[in-house]
Amino acid sequence: DQQVKQNSPSLSVQEGRISILNCDYTNSMFDYFLWYKKYPAEGPTFLISISSIKDKNEDGRFTVFLNKSAKHLSLHIVPSQPGDSAVYFCAASERGTYKYIFGTGTRLKVLA
Amino acid sequence: DAGVIQSPRHEVTEMGQEVTLRCKPISGHNSLFWYRQTMMRGLELLIYFNNNVPIDDSGMPEDRFSAKMPNASFSTLKIQPSEPRDSAVYFCASSRGGGEKLFFGSGTQLSVL
Repeated sequence: DQQVKQNSPSLSVQEGRISILNCDYTNSMFDYFLWYKKYPAEGPTFLISISSIKDKNEDGRFTVFLNKSAKHLSLHIVPSQPGDSAVYFCAASERGTYKYIFGTGTRLKVLA
Repeated sequence: DAGVIQSPRHEVTEMGQEVTLRCKPISGHNSLFWYRQTMMRGLELLIYFNNNVPIDDSGMPEDRFSAKMPNASFSTLKIQPSEPRDSAVYFCASSRGGGEKLFFGSGTQLSVL
């Protein structure tokens, strides 16, 4: 049973436009969420996180939005760049457990 | 900072053979995680340790899988006997613990023929 779901396996966006990656979760006890980016033949690297006490967190071109009532979070990349082409994973954890549950990933392709 | 180091990068073996994957976490990190990446399940948590003690191994698929952390700087994930369905990329990650973000190694690409 997937507790963290990324329903879009892939996404293509033109350079300079906005990329929106979505993630849904089922466990209402999750209170900390992260996004990771993964290039081929490399391990995932941390991108941005958000705590459940917030609904938005911004870091440069990257913004994560959290909608707790809908159990949904999204990652916005503005403007998108070719170097952003990678697989993006969302992850969630329940405070006190210290373990992160990841989604299946979304492959983003930014077209030049 | 050397990061999380995994070995080998690639492993090709035959069904029935024993496979051992190795991980050296970042110095000072006290939590260590083993994940498996597949197309169907994404990054799947297998087991995690805190201060060298296994905390949750509920993700270990079956008894053929075992993991150890004999000290703070080394962990192994062993599959015995290996099967073709074990073919995947296995990642090790470490963190400072207490819900801090994970740092991943480059992974081991395992192919069981």
